[in-house]
Amino acid sequence: DAGVIQSPRHEVTEMGQEVTLRCKPISGHDYLFWYRQTMMRGLELLIYFNNNVPIDDSGMPEDRFSAKMPNASFSTLKIQPSEPRDSAVYFCASSFVGNTIYFGEGSWLTVV
Amino acid sequence: GQQVMQIPQYQHVQEGEDFTTYCNSSTTLSNIQWYKQRPGGHPVFLIQLVKSGEVKKQKRLTFQFGEAKKNSSLHITATQTTDVGTYFCAGQQSARQLTFGSGTQLTVLP
Repeated sequence: DAGVIQSPRHEVTEMGQEVTLRCKPISGHDYLFWYRQTMMRGLELLIYFNNNVPIDDSGMPEDRFSAKMPNASFSTLKIQPSEPRDSAVYFCASSFVGNTIYFGEGSWLTVV
Repeated sequence: GQQVMQIPQYQHVQEGEDFTTYCNSSTTLSNIQWYKQRPGGHPVFLIQLVKSGEVKKQKRLTFQFGEAKKNSSLHITATQTTDVGTYFCAGQQSARQLTFGSGTQLTVLP
């Protein structure tokens, strides 16, 4: 079975540019999570969806961040405009009935 | 809100030595999960503990859930270089989502 698929795997962008990260969860999973990982702050939950509906976005750092899940097989995390402090690894993850979480391989973002 | 604290933050051991990481929750948990993240990789689920006082083993790894269901530990016997990585605990309270600890980064010196 395919795991959680994220794209791009690596992105380097200039400050002020828009960044869109994409995720395809495991088929049949009803929860989708976006995490951010940095050395300083560790693994942070940004937002999660249940059945495509955003449930908790309290972890989203600020209005520059937005996430959507238009259907059960696709989600995006957008940063506009991007800033150097947004540099991090962004993980998408999914689970069934909110139990064991399966992580994607991550999108490594560098904002210069 | 729920907080999950994990210690130590870093641990260096010689190959063959034992290793333990501890996890403490500010609230009683319904279950606790452990994940391992290899350098450059993503967190991978290891195990879930549900019952008070539960102990589970996976080869050289022993996982314990405290009697009060507020703490947990992961013990690795005779570490190997393949054990290198960051170990995260993640606690779940009732129907809420998992809260991850800060992780323990294990380095195994050959």
